[in-house]
Amino acid sequence: SYVLTQPPSVSVAPGQTARITCGGNNIGSKSVHWYQQKPGQAPVLVVYDDSDRPSGIPERFSGSNSGNTATLTISRVEAGDEADYYCQVWDSSSDYVFGTGTKVTVL
Amino acid sequence: QVQLVQSGAEVKKPGASVKVSCKASGYTFTSYYMHWVRQAPGQGLEWMGIINPSGGSTSYAQKFQGRVTMTRDTSTSTVYMELSSLRSEDTAVYYCARVLVAGDYADNAFDIWGQGTMVTVSS
Repeated sequence: SYVLTQPPSVSVAPGQTARITCGGNNIGSKSVHWYQQKPGQAPVLVVYDDSDRPSGIPERFSGSNSGNTATLTISRVEAGDEADYYCQVWDSSSDYVFGTGTKVTVL
Repeated sequence: QVQLVQSGAEVKKPGASVKVSCKASGYTFTSYYMHWVRQAPGQGLEWMGIINPSGGSTSYAQKFQGRVTMTRDTSTSTVYMELSSLRSEDTAVYYCARVLVAGDYADNAFDIWGQGTMVTVSS
């Protein structure tokens, strides 16, 4: 089965840049989507197809994908960005796979 | 506006079944595939399956094969997820989630999510 590995936690100071990685075998050949989930709430799509943003998502959220690693970058981090973040792909053998999740803490 | 509204929390005994509903509004119900995803307390997201509201075809995660059934009612724009033979490990929040792009499913992101339904399995 296809596995997506994320760091359990990332800490960042307000105004700085947070980078969340998502590792998977040849993930660069897949479309990666990213979700933000705040406590007690449903997930929200923040980046799709590696680097596109849904309407209403700030430009501070961006994504990239190459080789064995996809990355979600949050620029000029704000307190409101504190949340869990999950990557997700579709794999022909494993269907829909979510990453292990990363908790972003704003210091 | 586009939204998915799910049914309320459930408490079930081990061995029982639960049926969760997800009512869609604000878009053409039959044009967008719908997923079900669950999240155990303090854990990550787990994909359960997908249904095509147009024809009713389904695909389930291997883990849930034989225990899950997804159906839809086009007259009320509602999809359902029924999970049987419940055990304590099925205690989780269950979400329905619509795909981003109409008529597609494979690489399609999960765009609109329901508010979640807490299912507790306890004797």
